[in-house]
Amino acid sequence: DAKTTQPPSMDCAEGRAANLPCNHSTISGNEYVYWYRQIHSQGPQYIIHGLKNNETNEMASLIITEDRKSSTLILPHATLRDTAVYYCIVRDGGSNYKLTFGKGTLLTVNP
Amino acid sequence: GAVVSQHPSRVICKSGTSVKIECRSLDFQATTMFWYRQFPKQSLMLMATSNEGSKATYEQGVEKDKFLINHASLTLSTLTVTSAHPEDSSFYICSARYRNYGYTFGSGTRLTVV
Repeated sequence: DAKTTQPPSMDCAEGRAANLPCNHSTISGNEYVYWYRQIHSQGPQYIIHGLKNNETNEMASLIITEDRKSSTLILPHATLRDTAVYYCIVRDGGSNYKLTFGKGTLLTVNP
Repeated sequence: GAVVSQHPSRVICKSGTSVKIECRSLDFQATTMFWYRQFPKQSLMLMATSNEGSKATYEQGVEKDKFLINHASLTLSTLTVTSAHPEDSSFYICSARYRNYGYTFGSGTRLTVV
């Protein structure tokens, strides 16, 4: 499985953009990058995923570098409710396509 | 769409007893489901992958005789913790894969073994 590296914690001011980085230098050509977040004592919530191109949805934008060795999740206008642990995951390309979670980044949005 | 319902949300059991956790896909058919365990202040650890109608695939270090997984239908997978001990107390989370790229998670089960 391709490993991911994320900073353990980040802070962001409410209303500002939150940019969460992720390194995945061993990613292979057919492996997708997924982002999930987990608020305390809840199941993970899907945010976005991508393969090569940048992606945007109602929650966030995903910027993947051209060499695919890193990506950035962007929350354009962070709110207090965005405080959570954010996980960047490279999906296993094997037959079961399992998601293996790393340690994630604790994003704290401050008022 | 793509909702997974997990029950119970909390359970307390006595040491030595067994506990069953259910994971249901409500509006889609889940051929593959995953079971995770999460200890306090730690990340989710994948325990096993279950495919409908076949035996589960367990991750290294997970005791298959202790954590029994059944995926008998396309909408239901169960995890049974057998002969539970206090060290099995944890947050258990299921996930289901839908279509090719989607993964949805249950809300988790807090197991406390006393």
